[in-house]
Amino acid sequence: DVVMTQSPLSLPVTPGQPASISCRSSQSLVYSDGNTYLNWFHQRPGQSPRRLIYKVSNRDSGVPDRFSGSGSGTDFTLKIIRVEAEDVGVYYCMQGTHWPWTFGQGTKVEIK
Amino acid sequence: QVQVAESGGGVVQPGRSLRLSCAASGFTFSRFPMHWVRQAPGKGLEWVAVTSHDENNKYYADSVKGRFTISRDNSKNTLYLQMNSLRAEDTAVYFCARDDFGGVDVWGQGTTVTVSS
Repeated sequence: DVVMTQSPLSLPVTPGQPASISCRSSQSLVYSDGNTYLNWFHQRPGQSPRRLIYKVSNRDSGVPDRFSGSGSGTDFTLKIIRVEAEDVGVYYCMQGTHWPWTFGQGTKVEIK
Repeated sequence: QVQVAESGGGVVQPGRSLRLSCAASGFTFSRFPMHWVRQAPGKGLEWVAVTSHDENNKYYADSVKGRFTISRDNSKNTLYLQMNSLRAEDTAVYFCARDDFGGVDVWGQGTTVTVSS
């Protein structure tokens, strides 16, 4: 199985400041069709996950443009250019290239 | 409004069975592969199973293979997860989710399964 490794696992942030989460996969996530199926999700306490980013860098509808995704191959990053209080929660990366799909361990973002 | 809603969770003894359902609305259910994802208490997300739109292709996590069966009824816009030989480690919130762009874009609120004697 593809192992997804996130860092850091805990991220205290100051509102208005940037934040960055890394996600590394144990194998390349480039699929045979040329796409890279790397997703980012945000889960607030007690809520269902919400997808923010698909195929590395595409924002889902309604996702604020302060969120951006980047990367290639096995190395990916989620960036928040200016953190807001509502951004607290756990962020997960997930690969949809290889079966079984696998998630990272999650990064808990909290306000300092 | 595009949405999915899970049901069927509950408390069940180890070794017993349970069937979860997921009712979809607001989109053409029969066109989309569908997934089950679970989350054990205080833990991260674990992908469980997927079925193609026509049930011709199904994949399972190793942890549930041979015990869980995913299925769907496109005439009823409903996804199912038949869970047999349940174990304590299957205790989790089970989410139904719609496949989109090599990921999942629509999630339900989840249904809780507790396996305990």
